[in-house]
Amino acid sequence: DIQMTQSPSTLSASVGDRVTITCRASQSISSWLAWYQQKPGKAPNLLIYKASSLESGVPSRFSGSGSGTEFTLTISSLQPDDFATYYCQQYNSYPWSFGQGTKLEIK
Amino acid sequence: QVQLVESGGGVVQPGRSLKLSCSASGFTFSSYAMHWVRQAPGKGLEWVSIISYYGNNKYYADSVKGRFTISRDNSKNTLYLQMNSLRPEDTAVYYCARDYHSNDYWGQGTLVTVSS
Repeated sequence: DIQMTQSPSTLSASVGDRVTITCRASQSISSWLAWYQQKPGKAPNLLIYKASSLESGVPSRFSGSGSGTEFTLTISSLQPDDFATYYCQQYNSYPWSFGQGTKLEIK
Repeated sequence: QVQLVESGGGVVQPGRSLKLSCSASGFTFSSYAMHWVRQAPGKGLEWVSIISYYGNNKYYADSVKGRFTISRDNSKNTLYLQMNSLRPEDTAVYYCARDYHSNDYWGQGTLVTVSS
């Protein structure tokens, strides 16, 4: 099974900051990686698929990069609505798996 | 618009069974594989199972294999999760999700609590 590891687990930042979250896979997953945003009490919301493709309706300040085993999610200029928990997910092979999450907090 | 609505959650004793449903609308249900994903209280997301669009291929997480069964009824636009031999560690919000660009649409979730 493929293990996904995110870092950091918690990130404190301010509105306007540029932030990066990293996700590592225990083996190559090519570009079969997605990023989600989740707010308390809500379902996850797909931001990025296939490592770098922006889901329709998602603001362009979100971007993804990477392939193989190393991936990043970047938010270019944090907005108040962006403070949430972010998850990466591999969908290269079953069982699909998620990272443990990164909680983005207001500094 | 795409809508996924889960139902069937509740409080159940360890060792008992429960069946979840996910009613789909706003898209051609029979053209998409479907997933179940769960989230224990205060914890991260855990993928549970997938069923192909015709229902002939299914995969499960090791944690539920042999106890949970995913199924679908394309005539009713409904996805199911039969959960047997429930354990306290199965306590979670269960989400159904569509298979496109990984999981592009999710339901609001239904809470399953396994407790005596």
